[in-house]
Amino acid sequence: EAQVTQNPRYLITVTGKKLTVTCSQNMNHEYMSWYRQDPGLGLRQIYYSMNVEVTDKGDVPEGYKVSRKEKRNFPLILESPSPNQTSLYFCASSTRQARVGYTFGSGTRLTVV
Amino acid sequence: QQQVKQSPQSLIVQKGGISIINCAYENTAFDYFPWYQQFPGKGPALLIAIRPDVSEKKEGRFTISFNKSAKQFSLHIMDSQPGDSATYFCAAGIESNYQLIWGAGTKLIIKP
Repeated sequence: EAQVTQNPRYLITVTGKKLTVTCSQNMNHEYMSWYRQDPGLGLRQIYYSMNVEVTDKGDVPEGYKVSRKEKRNFPLILESPSPNQTSLYFCASSTRQARVGYTFGSGTRLTVV
Repeated sequence: QQQVKQSPQSLIVQKGGISIINCAYENTAFDYFPWYQQFPGKGPALLIAIRPDVSEKKEGRFTISFNKSAKQFSLHIMDSQPGDSATYFCAAGIESNYQLIWGAGTKLIIKP
């Protein structure tokens, strides 16, 4: 089944404790992206990647890091999480043929206390 | 110039009625306008999309109306059903560069 898999689905952590949210897609998509979703603010892009070793900042990159060492994986790293990073996070992928038809993961709900 | 403004923020419609969600954009370079549907606990999923060379696109009960001169587009859900209750996002982008600009979302509730 073609899908984007995020882990974990739920995470509660403490301020300052480094964490990684994993994202993997099995569709050989070139493009991958991370979003955060907050009530009333819609989907805001954190980082995106056009291909392996190519990443760029989205609208809200502060406090986040990403890497794209393999085509299928695009982990999101929070080096020192803060409470304002409490949010629902989505990974998405796309291919040139699908153009901007994104496939989203099921989301990771992160709470930083 | 990059914003997409979506309204209303929330909408309650009776079963069988017509649900209408509106979006406005600023960047005339946009050439792709998708709508995504998101159910609780799930990621958004592509519902229907339109390109600016047509004024309307219909797929089943879902129709996108597009007004290029006004830089507006809207989603119409005919014969709305309780199963249509979800959050709907409009977006706009330039197909050649993958990126989408998202509206803030509309939470739609269909009352039985």
